[in-house]
Amino acid sequence: DAKTTQPNSMESNEEEPVHLPCNHSTISGTDYIHWYRQLPSQGPEYVIHGLTSNVNNRMASLAIAEDRKSSTLILHRATLRDAAVYYCILRDPLNRDDKIIFGKGTRLHILP
Amino acid sequence: DVKVTQSSRYLVKRTGEKVFLECVQDMDHENMFWYRQDPGLGLRLIYFSYDVKMKEKGDIPEGYSVSREKKERFSLILESASTNQTSMYLCASRGTFNGYTFGSGTRLTVV
Repeated sequence: DAKTTQPNSMESNEEEPVHLPCNHSTISGTDYIHWYRQLPSQGPEYVIHGLTSNVNNRMASLAIAEDRKSSTLILHRATLRDAAVYYCILRDPLNRDDKIIFGKGTRLHILP
Repeated sequence: DVKVTQSSRYLVKRTGEKVFLECVQDMDHENMFWYRQDPGLGLRLIYFSYDVKMKEKGDIPEGYSVSREKKERFSLILESASTNQTSMYLCASRGTFNGYTFGSGTRLTVV
């Protein structure tokens, strides 16, 4: 399975943008890049996903490198409620046995 | 929005008891999953199912079994609970191109 590499933790000030990096150098052509986050005492929640082009939704933006070997999740204006563990995951949705394998993720601390 | 409901938020069971953790989803998803989460070990996949009556082992299936008799329900069974199965258990479901939706989790304590 293709693996991802993320920093263990990051810190950001409230109301500033946050850029969470992810490396996935062994990504295959059919893998989508997904991001999830897990708030304290909750199950993970879907944030965003993309294949090749940059993506935006109400929660975040996803910037994908041209060679697809890395990506960055962008929170445009961090709030205290964004403090969570963020997971970068590769998925092939056409694979019947597709299943998420979680790494350690990045623990994001937001400073008031 | 997809909803994944886990029957209990907290459970306390005795060693040796048979334990059932229930999970129900309301979006007709084919695929369902059971994970456990422990401090320092992250989320680990126990079992998953891609159709009714189908099941596949994940990374740590030992000591667990599952049942998928109906599409919307995926049950995790601890045949004889042990203290090392004290953990947070998370159920998830997904459609083909959708993201995964997780339940709120069941915190199981085996005493």
